[in-house]
Amino acid sequence: GQQLNQSPQSMFIQEGEDVSMNCTSSSIFNTWLWYKQDPGEGPVLLIALYKAGELTSNGRLTAQFGITRKDSFLNISASIPSDVGIYFCAGMKTSYDKVIFGPGTSLSVIP
Amino acid sequence: DGGITQSPKYLFRKEGQNVTLSCEQNLNHDAMYWYRQDPGQGLRLIYYSQIVNDFQKGDIAEGYSVSREKKESFPLTVTSAQKNPTAFYLCATDDPGREANYGYTFGSGTRLTVV
Repeated sequence: GQQLNQSPQSMFIQEGEDVSMNCTSSSIFNTWLWYKQDPGEGPVLLIALYKAGELTSNGRLTAQFGITRKDSFLNISASIPSDVGIYFCAGMKTSYDKVIFGPGTSLSVIP
Repeated sequence: DGGITQSPKYLFRKEGQNVTLSCEQNLNHDAMYWYRQDPGQGLRLIYYSQIVNDFQKGDIAEGYSVSREKKESFPLTVTSAQKNPTAFYLCATDDPGREANYGYTFGSGTRLTVV
């Protein structure tokens, strides 16, 4: 079946540092999504991307839809302790298809 | 205020017992999903339903059962046949076919522990 790969698997960073993570697929997607899961909660949508090359920001978060349609990137600037959690990328071919989730990147922020 | 309600938040079960996790939504979404998450792991699909009175097995359906008698409700039963049921269970909904894809909306989860 379709699979997404996320890297890195986990990150430990100092408060104030910038963070970069990425997601790759062997298949083309027409929508890329980035979710954040706080400890003990369900994932929450951060950013949705709909066009190849699209760059979208949400506060300190910026995500990009890769030109090849097979990858996506998420950057977090000036990290703070509440950024701690698991970040999932996800892809969809059409709105009628199931969402395919990556395995997640676990982020820890050291104050 | 639309959303998804999962209950209870924490659930303890004795070995050999069946237990049912509740998922209710007032988003008027057609599709509903159940995922299992183990510590440090990603999301694994258990069952999904795209319309009332119909549901499909996901990747790890063995030992679980579901029903979809109402659009708003998609309960998950963890049966005694599930050998390792301790996990975090997430319910999600979707509105397929809408103009913009926003993916799934998730509930806040139920943590099941077998004692």
